[in-house]
Amino acid sequence: ETGVTQTPRHLVMGMTNKKSLKCEQHLGHNAMYWYKQSAKKPLELMFVYNFKEQTENNSVPSRFSPECPNSSHLFLHLHTLQPEDSALYLCASSQEWRISNQPQHFGDGTRLSIL
Amino acid sequence: KQEVTQIPAALSVPEGENLVLNCSFTDSAIYNLQWFRQDPGKGLTSLLLIQSSQREQTSGRLNASLDKSSGRSTLYIAASQPGDSATYLCAVGDSGTYKYIFGTGTRLKVLA
Repeated sequence: ETGVTQTPRHLVMGMTNKKSLKCEQHLGHNAMYWYKQSAKKPLELMFVYNFKEQTENNSVPSRFSPECPNSSHLFLHLHTLQPEDSALYLCASSQEWRISNQPQHFGDGTRLSIL
Repeated sequence: KQEVTQIPAALSVPEGENLVLNCSFTDSAIYNLQWFRQDPGKGLTSLLLIQSSQREQTSGRLNASLDKSSGRSTLYIAASQPGDSATYLCAVGDSGTYKYIFGTGTRLKVLA
């Protein structure tokens, strides 16, 4: 139990569907992150939220839409995805962004497959 | 642009062996470096975090060192066990952007 919970664990969707990924952290952290992990590629940072405000959008296509209603919850809304978007999507949290002595805590991810 | 490389990509060792995993980075302007473990189908678990002012960190059988000037970090695992089998990822905290830049990992298999 890492303190960061992601749902669903697996998701299969067609290219025209709309779905959402959910992340919840129980650690009292103020920063939350979305990462994409594709096979044989390094983790790619997608979005950063600090105190519910988006501080980083790493040139992510608009078919991915994040939402952070409070410091404990983070969503990733998906629509009109492409086959190359199939990957493991990981959520992480940390005490605050830009604090060097605090590690990031990760959830177990959502395995997304686009048909 | 910061790049992180991990060598080897995969490693298979007999139980009980001491081993070293390597991580190299191209830009020495980092604020910290983190080693993670990832089990199949799971997220990342933080093992050790070294701040830029530190040379090493230890936790149990794990020891991580950092040499910023040469752009290298090593993760030393003593007396390896089958339960250590996992993928080990290195992530560098970039000073300019405050983003973590990840390597592609070393997939370790410890044979009983």
